Amino acid sequence: DVKVTQSSRYLVKRTGEKVFLECVQDMDHENMFWYRQDPGLGLRLIYFSYDVKMKEKGDIPEGYSVSREKKERFSLILESASTNQTSMYLCASSPRLLDGYTFGSGTRLTVV
Amino acid sequence: QKEVEQDPGPLSVPEGAIVSLNCTYSNSAFQYFMWYRQYSRKGPELLMYTYSSGNKEDGRFTAQVDKSSKYISLFIRDSQPSDSATYLCAMSGAGGGADGLTFGKGTHLIIQP
Repeated sequence: DVKVTQSSRYLVKRTGEKVFLECVQDMDHENMFWYRQDPGLGLRLIYFSYDVKMKEKGDIPEGYSVSREKKERFSLILESASTNQTSMYLCASSPRLLDGYTFGSGTRLTVV
Repeated sequence: QKEVEQDPGPLSVPEGAIVSLNCTYSNSAFQYFMWYRQYSRKGPELLMYTYSSGNKEDGRFTAQVDKSSKYISLFIRDSQPSDSATYLCAMSGAGGGADGLTFGKGTHLIIQP
């Protein structure tokens, strides 16, 4: 069964910390995405990548950066965590020719 | 005006009923339309994927797209308690989602045993 694995289900971090969220896919997909999901706001695209070392800003990139050194791994970095970054973070991947996204189970991040 | 509108619910129906879930959108460039199901504390999973207008059926699920009205629907026949979840519509333009999908906020569906 193909998978997108997010390294942590729950994280609690302090304001100002640098936070790394890791995502690994085993499907050899070219495209990878980071979304955050908030009640009343739905899913919002933070960053995406269509190839190794390539990255593109989504709709809400401020306060975030990403890294894709290998095809299977896409990391989301919160440079200096703030309380308004408390959210559910979802990683997804898709092949180059769209066949829908496969999502990970999500990381629920709380910044205190 | 938001790009994709979806009633958040909750929508509560008895087991065995036919469920109709809907989204409207404003961007005429959308060409790919998807429905995702999301159980509590899980990531969304793809249910149906259609291109342009028309119907697509998969078991108890039927997806319908009416581009002229900018309206998409998901029908669930013979609904089961295991169908209780949040249903998200998603869509993209000619890029096919390679540059991201636009999601509705989701409809929370409850199937009563």
